[in-house]
Amino acid sequence: GAVVSQHPSWVICKSGTSVKIECRSLDFQATTMFWYRQFPKQSLMLMATSNEGSKATYEQGVEKDKFLINHASLTLSTLTVTSAHPEDSSFYICSAIYRGPGNQPQHFGDGTRLSIL
Amino acid sequence: GEDVEQSLFLSVREGDSSVINCTYTDSSSTYLYWYKQEPGAGLQLLTYIFSNMDMKQDQRLTVLLNKKDKHLSLRIADTQTGDSAIYFCALRESSASKIIFGSGTRLSIRP
Repeated sequence: GAVVSQHPSWVICKSGTSVKIECRSLDFQATTMFWYRQFPKQSLMLMATSNEGSKATYEQGVEKDKFLINHASLTLSTLTVTSAHPEDSSFYICSAIYRGPGNQPQHFGDGTRLSIL
Repeated sequence: GEDVEQSLFLSVREGDSSVINCTYTDSSSTYLYWYKQEPGAGLQLLTYIFSNMDMKQDQRLTVLLNKKDKHLSLRIADTQTGDSAIYFCALRESSASKIIFGSGTRLSIRP
């Protein structure tokens, strides 16, 4: 079964609205969560790395004030797209790494399709 | 930074083997992964290999790693219609938590 739950799976909203996306690790503690953006027929673009209890690390070119990330607990990270506009429409995917030694692969959520009208 | 490349498309006949290739530039990558993405879904980890391994087999999946040529491949035996998806290779350094993805290869199956 799924080890990472992402909610909602699909959002349609008007331009100017802020949208919050949740990413939860199920049955494990995630030291680190990642937020990706994927455009149609393209690869995943890492937006930011989120560590529990600290500020997120954003990739170059990603606006911190536009994409607010909160990682308040070891099982929950949220991405808020503030004042969303049509160009923010995309597929957003989160992933989480299990808190443990050795090679810990990323487990991905099912993604959130965001459509801004 | 790391550059990971894949061919964009692959078409195979049902029942044949599929071979998806990936090349990379950074030799310090320690963990190498293959992910599968079906339409409208997130990524599913298929298999992974450590950089000190040459090959790993898991049922229908075989991963080959050529460190000298910095080449990674995924072979899917007896390809079925359910294997239609986008396949991403991804690499990670041992000291880093984030991974770098290739562009993805779209595998289509023809009857």
